[in-house]
Amino acid sequence: SQQGEEDPQALSIQEGENATMNCSYKTSINNLQWYRQNSGRGLVHLILIRSNEREKHSGRLRVTLDTSKKSSSLLITASRAADTASYFCATDLDSNYQLIWGAGTKLIIKP
Amino acid sequence: DTGVSQDPRHKITKRGQNVTFRCDPISEHNRLYWYRQTLGQGPEFLTYFQNEAQLEKSRLLSDRFSAERPKGSFSTLEIQRTEQGDSAMYLCASSLAGPGVAQYFGPGTRLTVL
Repeated sequence: SQQGEEDPQALSIQEGENATMNCSYKTSINNLQWYRQNSGRGLVHLILIRSNEREKHSGRLRVTLDTSKKSSSLLITASRAADTASYFCATDLDSNYQLIWGAGTKLIIKP
Repeated sequence: DTGVSQDPRHKITKRGQNVTFRCDPISEHNRLYWYRQTLGQGPEFLTYFQNEAQLEKSRLLSDRFSAERPKGSFSTLEIQRTEQGDSAMYLCASSLAGPGVAQYFGPGTRLTVL
């Protein structure tokens, strides 16, 4: 079963603009992770935010976590064509081995 | 490159045949995971190993599926009597032990069952 739901399902923006994707989940978590997947390829880990953290940065990425609303957002600033990919959130539940995934947001950066 | 590798990258088979996929994790990672992903969906957890022990299997993993990690290094996933519904991307990932660790994914094996 899928725990996370990303929103929007698809997003198309101009290069240079910021892209924001949201993830909602259903049950309490230990942490939430964001991954990127280029078309037909494996997933690449982007950033992990723990349940006791509210915001985390990594380069052009900013992730927020609101455990009261069971939601997270991923902001990509100054988007580039190479950011075109699908972005997934995955939650690590009380068990520490299994990630539960959403269906992803497909991001297209137009040059 | 010392990342996770998977072999083969693509497999086309006829319904009813058996197939086996291999995953080589990052060498120092003691956890290994198998996922299945269909078009437009996120990965679905199939099974997980810590060293050579298979600790969890999803309800998705019917008795036609079996996975091994005999020496705690590489792993194989076998599907017996393949069905068209088995067509998907099969992803392998590895990680260190402990809570809140990132998983590192291989490129996947795309299975097409005709």
